[in-house]
Amino acid sequence: GQQLNQSPQSMFIQEGEDVSMNCTSSSIFNTWLWYKQEPGEGPVLLIALYKAGELTSNGRLTAQFGITRKDSFLNISASIPSDVGIYFCAGQNYAGTASKLTFGTGTRLQVTL
Amino acid sequence: SAVISQKPSRDICQRGTSLTIQCQVDSQVTMMFWYRQQPGQSLTLIATANQGSEATYESGFVIDKFPISRPNLTFSTLTVSNMSPEDSSIYLCSVEGSARQPQHFGDGTRLSIL
Repeated sequence: GQQLNQSPQSMFIQEGEDVSMNCTSSSIFNTWLWYKQEPGEGPVLLIALYKAGELTSNGRLTAQFGITRKDSFLNISASIPSDVGIYFCAGQNYAGTASKLTFGTGTRLQVTL
Repeated sequence: SAVISQKPSRDICQRGTSLTIQCQVDSQVTMMFWYRQQPGQSLTLIATANQGSEATYESGFVIDKFPISRPNLTFSTLTVSNMSPEDSSIYLCSVEGSARQPQHFGDGTRLSIL
C-alpha cells in the first residue's frame, strides 16, 4: 500500500537544538496527524491538523498542514532527552464512515546530552 | 482518550501454530482497526474490524490468514494463523472514539515466530 515519505529518516541532535521534519504525499489528504512511538509502546498522538494552512502547537511541538494538502511539517523546539523516539506522520481522508490512516516512513530522533 | 489494552503484550510461537490477540477498550468506540508493524518499519493497516459483520481487509491481507472478530463496541480479536517467521511483527490495535476523531493505539503485541 501507499506510504508517505518522511525526511529526514533519522536525526542525531544535541539537547537544546530545534528539530524539523516533514512528510510528503503524492495525493491529497484532508487530515494530517503526527504520532510518536517509543520502544515497547504504541504510537501516541501528538498533533492533529484538519485544515490546509493550519498551524497548531502542543507545548514545544508545532505542526503545519501544507497549503497543497500534500504535505505536513513538525517542529520541536529546544529538544530534551525524552524527545527520543520515532515520529510518524499519517494522512487521512474520510469517505462516509471509512477513515483509513496512511502512515509515513518515520523519522528516528536521537538526542545527546 | 480511551484506554486500550492488548493481550498478550508479547509471545514467541512455533511455526505453523496460530495466535489470537485481544484488544479491549474501556469505552464504546465506533471504529477499531488492526495494524502490522514489521521490524524497523512503519505501520500498515491489516483490516477494519466491523461490529457485527465481517472485517474489511486491505490489499495483501486475507481473512483466512488474519481472521478478525468484533462482537461488541469495546472488544476485538485478531488471529494470526499458520504462522511463519515472516509473520514476526508488532500487531497493533487502534480505535476511533467517535466519528472523525483521531485514532489512538494500544501498546501492541510483539510476536516472534521460530
